[in-house]
Amino acid sequence: EPEVTQTPSHQVTQMGQEVILRCVPISNHLYFYWYRQILGQKVEFLVSFYNNEISEKSEIFDDQFSVERPDGSNFTLKIRSTKLEDSAMYFCASTGHSTDTQYFGPGTRLTVL
Amino acid sequence: QQQVKQSPQSLIVQKGGIPIINCAYENTAFDYFPWYQQFPGKGPALLIAIRPDVSEKKEGRFTISFNKSAKQFSLHIMDSQPGDSATYFCAASDRGSTLGRLYFGRGTQLTVWP
Repeated sequence: EPEVTQTPSHQVTQMGQEVILRCVPISNHLYFYWYRQILGQKVEFLVSFYNNEISEKSEIFDDQFSVERPDGSNFTLKIRSTKLEDSAMYFCASTGHSTDTQYFGPGTRLTVL
Repeated sequence: QQQVKQSPQSLIVQKGGIPIINCAYENTAFDYFPWYQQFPGKGPALLIAIRPDVSEKKEGRFTISFNKSAKQFSLHIMDSQPGDSATYFCAASDRGSTLGRLYFGRGTQLTVWP
């Protein structure tokens, strides 16, 4: 069964550093998402992406965040200058017109020291 | 602002029991209500979903009950098994489909004892 993959599984970085989280969505999907889950809290929407542009973003997704689909398979989330409060599990998801759900990847655990 | 409120935070039942997880929402524009199951180290995976034109939906041992007037919905797991031990999230969307952003509840950690 096709699945969403994410790399790395765990990223440790120093405050103020840039990080790029990578996702490979399911190949025929057209809609892509990033969510995050701070430890012990709910899953929160960050951004959705369709047709090479952001279709919606939450209040969390400020100027420090950006997304990109650099080629036909990868979907990335960049955090320009990480803060301690960015420490969370980041989930990528994808879906298509004829699918019944957003398919989530296993997540990248980001730890900002 | 909590768009979707979920309770309880944790739940322990014996094998064969019927755990019930409840969710409530405020936004009357929500029109798609999925439940996700998450195992440790994995991303959330769709379990079952409902739209507000029906009051109940069953898939195998999992049932969603939906009360539109009360703006509440719940997940019932019949004949629960140790393999059902996981975190369950309710969610809601206002796009009527899987394409819109999902608003998640805080999650319920379910433990089923053998």
